[in-house]
Amino acid sequence: QQQVKQSPQSLIVQKGGIPIINCAYENTAFDYFPWYQQFPGKGPALLIAIRPDVSEKKEGRFTISFNKSAKQFSLHIMDSQPGDSATYFCAAKAGIIGGYQKVTFGTGTKLQVIP
Amino acid sequence: SAVISQKPSRDICQRGTSLTIQCQVDSQVTMMFWYRQQPGQSLTLIATANQGSEATYESGFVIDKFPISRPNLTFSTLTVSNMSPEDSSIYLCSALTSGGTQYFGPGTRLLVL
Repeated sequence: QQQVKQSPQSLIVQKGGIPIINCAYENTAFDYFPWYQQFPGKGPALLIAIRPDVSEKKEGRFTISFNKSAKQFSLHIMDSQPGDSATYFCAAKAGIIGGYQKVTFGTGTKLQVIP
Repeated sequence: SAVISQKPSRDICQRGTSLTIQCQVDSQVTMMFWYRQQPGQSLTLIATANQGSEATYESGFVIDKFPISRPNLTFSTLTVSNMSPEDSSIYLCSALTSGGTQYFGPGTRLLVL
């Protein structure tokens, strides 16, 4: 019940395309859903995050869509660029401040954007 | 935000030896963690580093193998003891700010021969 299932494992898109990465969870106690971007040889960096009280959040070219009833959320990258080539991890956590619960990470999606 | 640095960035060690990894955060954080990541894989939590007390270990990780210290709010160390080739991995320090955001360090790439 603590798992976060992420797909696809890898993704190749042309420059300008819109890659979509999907995640699903079972634990209804999760109330914070961050996405991390990791470049080769670097640590994961927080990209964007959403709480379940909204269905969509945009930050620049990155958009999270959230479907609470389906317990699914996805990352869309608009106008993708070769510099977006990285591994993306979705994650979920119950409790934001104080009542901390450990973050559960998805398995990761390796994105390659071809020029 | 929080900027996390780790030392060393990489190391090659002989089996049977120990390596201590240092993690420094540029601001006070509420919680610090240590993760392990195999190349191309997801992140596995080793333990939560508790200030002034024993770390809280996840299933499959023990204090004798991975002793952890956190003497203050911004610094922690992870020791990988009696290393074997199976310990070859990337070790990541992470910190949680009071605002609830979790940050990661650049990682320490360890190769055990």
